[in-house]
Amino acid sequence: DTAVSQTPKYLVTQMGNDKSIKCEQNLGHDTMYWYKQDSKKFLKIMFSYNNKELIINETVPNRFSPKSPDKAHLNLHINSLELGDSAVYFCASSSLSARDEQFFGPGTRLTVL
Amino acid sequence: SQQGEEDPQALSIQEGENATMNCSYKTSINNLQWYRQNSGRGLVHLILIRSNEREKHSGRLRVTLDTSKKSSSLLITASRAADTASYFCATGIIQGAQKLVFGQGTRLTINP
Repeated sequence: DTAVSQTPKYLVTQMGNDKSIKCEQNLGHDTMYWYKQDSKKFLKIMFSYNNKELIINETVPNRFSPKSPDKAHLNLHINSLELGDSAVYFCASSSLSARDEQFFGPGTRLTVL
Repeated sequence: SQQGEEDPQALSIQEGENATMNCSYKTSINNLQWYRQNSGRGLVHLILIRSNEREKHSGRLRVTLDTSKKSSSLLITASRAADTASYFCATGIIQGAQKLVFGQGTRLTINP
């Protein structure tokens, strides 16, 4: 069974559209993250949620809004997509008590045309 | 700005040789982790070394940490073709949750 899953795997859309990426983890972790990996492979944290509460919010445009309906899910909604949003988005999870390794999803490749 | 700088950016060696990758960082850390990313895939955790540790081993992996120089190295011994991947160091910083700050990665190619 996949520990951290993301859907969709690929997302191609037009500039100006609104889209969502879903993430689910079945590890029982209490902390989830979103990362963005650009075309140069730089990987940067965007958000972190612990028990449905936002605890890390890097300098990310307001067009990006994470939503955590429960501990096992952290979805990423993006409004008014721009060309520069094209990247691979990774979801990850970890256990706050362990403060240890993070488990990553397979990634969602977003292409904005 | 990126916390970590990795060196080299790309490394190509023959199967069976050892591969060494280096990572430098800028601020105080809680731990330093190494991840592997195969092409088109997610990241896989390899090894974690805490700020009060100097060396750690896991199978063919050896990690060192020098907090005075703010640097770490990852050694893969007896490399295999399956080790071909990108390797990232990530510094663990506590900000409520643990925040990982990644280097730009080293692309490792093992030639058969």
